[in-house]
Amino acid sequence: DGGITQSPKYLFRKEGQNVTLSCEQNLNHDAMYWYRQDPGQGLRLIYYSQIVNDFQKGDIAEGYSVSREKKESFPLTVTSAQKNPTAFYLCASRATSGRSSYEQYFGPGTRLTVT
Amino acid sequence: GQQVMQIPQYQHVQEGEDFTTYCNSSTTLSNIQWYKQRPGGHPVFLIQLVKSGEVKKQKRLTFQFGEAKKNSSLHITATQTTDVGTYFCASANQAGTALIFGKGTTLSVSS
Repeated sequence: DGGITQSPKYLFRKEGQNVTLSCEQNLNHDAMYWYRQDPGQGLRLIYYSQIVNDFQKGDIAEGYSVSREKKESFPLTVTSAQKNPTAFYLCASRATSGRSSYEQYFGPGTRLTVT
Repeated sequence: GQQVMQIPQYQHVQEGEDFTTYCNSSTTLSNIQWYKQRPGGHPVFLIQLVKSGEVKKQKRLTFQFGEAKKNSSLHITATQTTDVGTYFCASANQAGTALIFGKGTTLSVSS
């Protein structure tokens, strides 16, 4: 069953702690993305990666870090420097060639609450 | 930077009424994509429009791309409760490496 998995679905952390959100895909997609969703704000791009071992900052990268050591995996670390980390985080992937290479596939999301 | 503005932010309709959401940009867009996110769910791709003036239909949904490629619309005919959710437009950035999303239109439908 192909798709994108994100775990956990809900995550609770204390302020000042770093937390890493998991994103795994078995779609053989080259490109992967992290978005943050807040009520009324739509989807804001945090980081993206077009290929293994390479990634670029999106619009709101401050306080976040990523790695892309494997094609299948693109974990996101929310650091203590992120001032408002409580949000719904969505991971997505996309093929970079082929008929449907423009379509992004989203994971189910992780809802992070920091208190 | 490139932005896509989406209106309205919220829309409530009675079941059977029509619904339209609009997406506008100050710059020419290379393409426009539409996604639907059900409550508690994740965005799901609906369609992509590329050509100036393009119109595509999916059952009760009609998608349009403006002649100047600066605006787009999604129209739902005779809404049903299954249409509830947030509809996002998105367009590729200049490098074609990422999508810029609008803030979405949240549709609620009462029966």
